[in-house]
Amino acid sequence: GAVVSQHPSWVICKSGTSVKIECRSLDFQATTMFWYRQFPKQSLMLMATSNEGSKATYEQGVEKDKFLINHASLTLSTLTVTSAHPEDSSFYICSARGGRVGTDTQYFGPGTRLTVL
Amino acid sequence: DAKTTQPPSMDCAEGRAANLPCNHSTISGNEYVYWYRQIHSQGPQYIIHGLKNNETNEMASLIITEDRKSSTLILPHATLRDTAVYYCIPGGTASKLTFGTGTRLQVTL
Repeated sequence: GAVVSQHPSWVICKSGTSVKIECRSLDFQATTMFWYRQFPKQSLMLMATSNEGSKATYEQGVEKDKFLINHASLTLSTLTVTSAHPEDSSFYICSARGGRVGTDTQYFGPGTRLTVL
Repeated sequence: DAKTTQPPSMDCAEGRAANLPCNHSTISGNEYVYWYRQIHSQGPQYIIHGLKNNETNEMASLIITEDRKSSTLILPHATLRDTAVYYCIPGGTASKLTFGTGTRLQVTL
């Protein structure tokens, strides 16, 4: 149980284009999903928290107009990197909050590696 | 966030127990300690979490000292597939996990 998928697993795009990454909770409903970013040899940094049906909450320093998050259902959240540039190249990882009441935690997807040329 | 100290790296022979320490001297009384691991180029994997009592599941055991200022994650019989970065996250909750630099565990033959 508590499986989270991401699609695509990797993507290469040209500078200036937009890229959408999907995050799905496969066997549970997640009212809250999270998006993280990880640069090489660094730890995960939280970008934003999204609750189903409401606007995402972004961490300080993360541009909400550049990283568009949509959490339209209890099993799907999407992250769109708009007008991507080489400095946006990174490993993007989502997580979904789930589990039994009182013992729930975040379950992570496998990540999406974005390379912007 | 509670201050966290983990050794940057550790080695463990396959089949032996891997004991990963974590110091979290500023943890508050009602804050849990979460442990995750990240195998290279994958998303983090939840391992275990606890508050005061020792916890055990199919993956690992978590030993928390009585004063709660430190904890140890124990992998009873490490295998090569346990090679990963292990993150101790004191003060974590289901809504907020702050990842530090973790301990890179290398399991060797």
